[in-house]
Amino acid sequence: DQQVKQNSPSLSVQEGRISILNCDYTNSMFDYFLWYKKYPAEGPTFLISISSIKDKNEDGRFTVFLNKSAKHLSLHIVPSQPGDSAVYFCAAAYSGGSNYKLTFGKGTLLTVNP
Amino acid sequence: GAGVSQSPRYKVAKRGQDVALRCDPISGHVSLFWYQQALGQGPEFLTYFQNEAQLDKSGLPSDRFFAERPEGSVSTLKIQRTQQEDSAVYLCASSQHPTGGRETQYFGPGTRLLVL
Repeated sequence: DQQVKQNSPSLSVQEGRISILNCDYTNSMFDYFLWYKKYPAEGPTFLISISSIKDKNEDGRFTVFLNKSAKHLSLHIVPSQPGDSAVYFCAAAYSGGSNYKLTFGKGTLLTVNP
Repeated sequence: GAGVSQSPRYKVAKRGQDVALRCDPISGHVSLFWYQQALGQGPEFLTYFQNEAQLDKSGLPSDRFFAERPEGSVSTLKIQRTQQEDSAVYLCASSQHPTGGRETQYFGPGTRLLVL
């Protein structure tokens, strides 16, 4: 049972345009969400996070939006650059007993075309 | 400073063979995690150490999987009598403090295990 879902396995955008990556979750206990970026043959690297008390967090070209009622979050990359081409994983955590445990989605492969 | 390193990077094992995967976390990091990433899937939690104490091993798939971190730094994930379904990338991550998921986890490059 996938508690964190990334329903788009891949996304292709033109350089300079906006990339929007989506993530849905089913466990209402989750209260902290993260995005990780992964290049081939490397481990995932932390990109940006958001707490459930917020609905938006911005860091440079990256913005994460959280819609708690819909159990949905999205990552916006503006403007997209070829170096952003990677697999993006959405992950979730909660403040309960096992709060160190991250639950990941399957990832979305983003390709930014020059 | 060095990041998280893992060795070997690639391992081919015959079914039934035992394997040992090593993780060197970032120096001074208290927390250490192991994840398993099957092909086309996201990383899945296996186990968690705080210093040398294994506080959670709920994600280990079977009793063939064993992890240790005897001195609170380097960790080894051992898989006994490997099966084909054990083929995956095994990721190690560390974080500075013994706090929750809000603490950034730094991942190593992973060990890709192929069981024939």
